[in-house]
Amino acid sequence: AQSVTQPDIHITVSEGASLELRCNYSYGATPYLFWYVQSPGQGLQLLLKYFSGDTLVQGIKGFEAEFKRSQSSFNLRKPSVHWSDAAEYFCAVGSNNNDMRFGAGTRLTVKP
Amino acid sequence: EAGVVQSPRYKIIEKKQPVAFWCNPISGHNTLYWYRQNLGQGPELLIRYENEEAVDDSQLPKDRFSAERLKGVDSTLKIQPAELGDSAVYLCASSLGQEYQETQYFGPGTRLLVL
Repeated sequence: AQSVTQPDIHITVSEGASLELRCNYSYGATPYLFWYVQSPGQGLQLLLKYFSGDTLVQGIKGFEAEFKRSQSSFNLRKPSVHWSDAAEYFCAVGSNNNDMRFGAGTRLTVKP
Repeated sequence: EAGVVQSPRYKIIEKKQPVAFWCNPISGHNTLYWYRQNLGQGPELLIRYENEEAVDDSQLPKDRFSAERLKGVDSTLKIQPAELGDSAVYLCASSLGQEYQETQYFGPGTRLLVL
């Protein structure tokens, strides 16, 4: 079965600084990879997804992620963080039948 | 377009009591998912429905949990009796189909506290 590791439980960045959230996956077949964001009291919202093709994926809210098969990674990046980006971020890996496995999440705090 | 609707948003009960959660998926979405999210963890799938059929309930603790999706639309998840360890957020999600390409849309969740 597939699994996901998000090594960083909590990250703090200053507003305007760049951001990178790490995600490592384990899956025997071609992975389908996702990043979701969860704001307090809200459901999960899809930021971006990777199925195939270009390994650099653009998402909503200025986020992007890069799939690196050799490193089994799918790290999320944003060049300039806004205070409204403070939330919990989840990486997930899916299989053919849309069975998604989520990481434990990374909580992002944005300093003024 | 309305999103996934869940109710109640919050529920506090004493252990051994029953509790039920309700979910209304996005109109036209055939696939419905129930997830449990423990504090500090990512969501974990409990059950997946394709229309009214439960196609994956392998992670559902069947001794105390039950779910139904009558008419392939709304769904109810029940716990009876509740235990302290059931305290969590219960998330409902829906998608057009169960293929990997289909994005899952999540509701706001029901936060359950068992005392």
